Amino acid sequence: DTGVSQNPRHKITKRGQNVTFRCDPISEHNRLYWYRQTLGQGPEFLTYFQNEAQLEKSRLLSDRFSAERPKGSFSTLEIQRTEQGDSAMYLCASSPLAATTLEQYFGPGTRLTVT
Amino acid sequence: DAKTTQPPSMDCAEGRAANLPCNHSTISGNEYVYWYRQIHSQGPQYIIHGLKNNETNEMASLIITEDRKSSTLILPHATLRDTAVYYCIVRPNFGNEKLTFGTGTRLTIIP
Repeated sequence: DTGVSQNPRHKITKRGQNVTFRCDPISEHNRLYWYRQTLGQGPEFLTYFQNEAQLEKSRLLSDRFSAERPKGSFSTLEIQRTEQGDSAMYLCASSPLAATTLEQYFGPGTRLTVT
Repeated sequence: DAKTTQPPSMDCAEGRAANLPCNHSTISGNEYVYWYRQIHSQGPQYIIHGLKNNETNEMASLIITEDRKSSTLILPHATLRDTAVYYCIVRPNFGNEKLTFGTGTRLTIIP
């Protein structure tokens, strides 16, 4: 049984470049979440998918950010024209649709450094 | 979601019980108390949750006061691997899918 996987684990990019991260949720988990975490803070919600439908987006998700889950399985998070303030850990989580609790299963995260 | 207050840091000796408090004085009747932890360089991990009764699982126990305004997470025999940031989250079980994390309590287990 594999958990949530995220790739790459680390990404260093120059300001202004575009980056894309991938999240593979636990198999058959219908719900998928993206969070962002900066140093010393708890994770902050970015967006949430149920199957391929993006049901909620945080105001933190500026128009430079876009997330997709085209077939209801893996998801990608793209940041265009990166800024130094985008440096953070990007976390993905998943949960089954039939869940009666808020137990979300998190991946190890992708650490982005914008220079 | 109700606001939670946790101490920023705590130490606990290895082998002893670690008791992590959380205040949630504005909790409403349909809100549950959830605990997650985050070990360094890993994603958060679910620990336990409860509504009003005390709960226990293989990882921890959760004690919720009768008025539900505060709770305590208990790690009965802390090990070095329990060193992590512990987050207390209060929210309804349905209707709002996101988790709202605060800054949590950084628990350090001392050998």
